[in-house]
Amino acid sequence: GAVVSQHPSWVICKSGTSVKIECRSLDFQATTMFWYRQFPKQSLMLMATSNEGSKATYEQGVEKDKFLINHASLTLSTLTVTSAHPEDSSFYICSARESTGDDEQFFGPGTRLTVL
Amino acid sequence: AQSVTQPDIHITVSEGASLELRCNYSYGATPYLFWYVQSPGQGLQLLLKYFSGDTLVQGIKGFEAEFKRSQSSFNLRKPSVHWSDAAEYFCAVGLTYKYIFGTGTRLKVLA
Repeated sequence: GAVVSQHPSWVICKSGTSVKIECRSLDFQATTMFWYRQFPKQSLMLMATSNEGSKATYEQGVEKDKFLINHASLTLSTLTVTSAHPEDSSFYICSARESTGDDEQFFGPGTRLTVL
Repeated sequence: AQSVTQPDIHITVSEGASLELRCNYSYGATPYLFWYVQSPGQGLQLLLKYFSGDTLVQGIKGFEAEFKRSQSSFNLRKPSVHWSDAAEYFCAVGLTYKYIFGTGTRLKVLA
């Protein structure tokens, strides 16, 4: 149980375009989902926390207009990178926290974004 | 400020040798503690977690970790390392629904 999927697993796009990444909890309901960013050979940095039905909470230094997060249902959160630039190239990982569980987060497999 | 420190950026051990990866945290209360492993280009796999109770925690793949409150540490150990253990290891602290990750330790295993 407690499986989280991400789609796509990798994406290549041109500079200036927008890219949407999906995060789904497959076998549980997730009130809260989290989006992390990981640069090569670095640690995971929390970008934002999204709660179902409400606006996401962004960490300091993360541009909310650049990284749009939508958590429209208890099993789906999306991250849209708008007007992507090469510096947005990174590994994006989502996680989900079960609605009725403790504080443990379950992580997705990640999405590799490359902006040309 | 809350922080998680993994002092060793790289560790190299011989196959069959014992392993200890260090993790220290800075936080007023006892947080939830986790160890994850990440292979190149892959997501995170949970090795073990500590919420409360017995301070020696057993995990998957033969790993264990010990929580020491007095030292604010949660070190990961394995008695005999296998070549397949080569990966990046992250310690994480759970604080009121947010995780803070350490900088990671890259493990290299010599045949």
